[in-house]
Amino acid sequence: EAQVTQNPRYLITVTGKKLTVTCSQNMNHEYMSWYRQDPGLGLRQIYYSMNVEVTDKGDVPEGYKVSRKEKRNFPLILESPSPNQTSLYFCASSVGTGIGYEQYFGPGTRLTVT
Amino acid sequence: AQKITQTQPGMFVQEKEAVTLDCTYDTSDPSYGLFWYKQPSSGEMIFLIYQGSYDQQNATEGRYSLNFQKARKSANLVISASQLGDSAMYFCAMREGSNTGNQFYFGTGTSLTVIP
Repeated sequence: EAQVTQNPRYLITVTGKKLTVTCSQNMNHEYMSWYRQDPGLGLRQIYYSMNVEVTDKGDVPEGYKVSRKEKRNFPLILESPSPNQTSLYFCASSVGTGIGYEQYFGPGTRLTVT
Repeated sequence: AQKITQTQPGMFVQEKEAVTLDCTYDTSDPSYGLFWYKQPSSGEMIFLIYQGSYDQQNATEGRYSLNFQKARKSANLVISASQLGDSAMYFCAMREGSNTGNQFYFGTGTSLTVIP
């Protein structure tokens, strides 16, 4: 089944404890992206990647890191999480970088930082 | 300036009626794509419909249609014959042409409730 998977689905952690949220897609998509969703703010793009080893900042990259060493994986790293990073996070992928390609979303990761 | 604006935080519609969800966008790129996604209470994001900036016809997908008015920079979603299962959050999104970095921009969403 074609899908985007994220792990973990739920995570409660403490301020400053490094964490990684994994994202993997099995559709051979070139483009991958991370979003955070907050009430009243919609989805905001954190980072995106147009291909292996090619990443770029979205609108809210501060406090996050990403890497794209393999085409299928695009982990999101929070080196020192803070409470304002409590949010619902989505990973997404699309076939390519053309304007017509919709994104396929993972199920989301609900992160709470205390 | 906001790239995508959805001015209706919440909407109600009677079952079997049609409803229009508003979306306006801001871009100077002549090449862009517009998308609508549905997010039910279970949380997943579901792609509904797409409109390209060069498309002459309004996009349609089953009960969903996109009312694309390029000069007004609006891309409203029309849901015909609403069903209870249409109750969800709806997001409008835009992807600009490659010369501007390939970001996706989402609006703040509209919560639709279908009343029996």
